[in-house]
Amino acid sequence: GAGVSQSPRYKVAKRGQDVALRCDPISGHVSLFWYQQALGQGPEFLTYFQNEAQLDKSGLPSDRFFAERPEGSVSTLKIQRTQQEDSAVYLCASSEEILASETQYFGPGTRLLVL
Amino acid sequence: DQQVKQNSPSLSVQEGRISILNCDYTNSMFDYFLWYKKYPAEGPTFLISISSIKDKNEDGRFTVFLNKSAKHLSLHIVPSQPGDSAVYFCAAKRGNTPLVFGKGTRLSVIA
Repeated sequence: GAGVSQSPRYKVAKRGQDVALRCDPISGHVSLFWYQQALGQGPEFLTYFQNEAQLDKSGLPSDRFFAERPEGSVSTLKIQRTQQEDSAVYLCASSEEILASETQYFGPGTRLLVL
Repeated sequence: DQQVKQNSPSLSVQEGRISILNCDYTNSMFDYFLWYKKYPAEGPTFLISISSIKDKNEDGRFTVFLNKSAKHLSLHIVPSQPGDSAVYFCAAKRGNTPLVFGKGTRLSVIA
């Protein structure tokens, strides 16, 4: 079956440019997560949705980062006025329920390079 | 303040031998632990997990051991195969809070 997909896979942006990263979770999955993975690091939590509700955005590094999931399926992570420190791989994951034991399935990520 | 630590950035093992990847954590409230495997240009793939009420979980060639008193878990792969070469991430969570990942260990299985 189809897994989590993300687009674009690669994005080069000039400093100050706005970018939008898309995540298509596995159909029917209730929970959706965004992570940021810097080079040589593990993924770090950004934000979490349960259906269309953004329940936790404590990991968003600044108010330049904004995420939405208006219809409870596809999600978009938007970064305004990109900075060089935003360069990273942005990973999206989804899970069927919100139980602690529920496995998160990851997409391939979007690699963002800000010049 | 890293709550999940993987102190070995890399590990090389000969094919057929055992691979042991280690992970330490500082938050005693974590109650669920997971291992993910990541190939280049792909997202992490779930491998195996363990609840804090257990001390061992086995799935085929993969076994995870949890030592709560030492705040330590390990992933054993036996026998190791060349296809196991990847980056392995340890992750932990408390209840329904987000996953906290370590920095990963790159495993190379040499034929």
